[in-house]
Amino acid sequence: AQSVAQPEDQVNVAEGNPLTVKCTYSVSGNPYLFWYVQYPNRGLQFLLKYITGDNLVKGSYGFEAEFNKSQTSFHLKKPSALVSDSALYFCAVRGGNTGGFKTIFGAGTRLFVKA
Amino acid sequence: DSGVTQTPKHLITATGQRVTLRCSPRSGDLSVYWYQQSLDQGLQFLIQYYNGEERAKGNILERFSAQQFPDLHSELNLSSLELGDSALYFCASSPGQGALSNQPQHFGDGTRLSIL
Repeated sequence: AQSVAQPEDQVNVAEGNPLTVKCTYSVSGNPYLFWYVQYPNRGLQFLLKYITGDNLVKGSYGFEAEFNKSQTSFHLKKPSALVSDSALYFCAVRGGNTGGFKTIFGAGTRLFVKA
Repeated sequence: DSGVTQTPKHLITATGQRVTLRCSPRSGDLSVYWYQQSLDQGLQFLIQYYNGEERAKGNILERFSAQQFPDLHSELNLSSLELGDSALYFCASSPGQGALSNQPQHFGDGTRLSIL
């Protein structure tokens, strides 16, 4: 069965410091992996995805994520955090070959960036 | 702007009532997804439609039903409402499935349902 784990409910980081939001997954076949961000009173917004190819994926707002097949991880990173990055972040996975049509979302990680 | 439109934005009703939430997908998208987001349970997948047909079912209660119409808009019907149904309900859309299943979903801003 497909599953996604975001082990941290909350991540706190100072503005200007690097940030990492962790995600691990379990899926059969080659996974499609996504990161979304949710600001208050808004729907989720797509940040980036990994389908195949280069393990380092670059996305919107300076975010990037690294796909690690051996560790089944897809951590979200940003070299220098901004206060405006404070939001709720969701990792999502869809089974590429045999996973069917469902996309499974993690429980979300709340990021707080302090000025 | 995601291109996905949900109406109404807010809905307040009483227990036992029935409501209908509406979603217009992004232009060209054939798949529509419904999610429930509550404080204690995160984002729960309810159901997916593709070009008018049900494609995947998640944790959708029997009191809830959905459909996708020929013009691709979708409606989520919630009946015999209970206090625990209070939540944000999101609709998302994507181009399709198969070779297009690696495309991200685009979310509307949700309908906030409050049961009194």
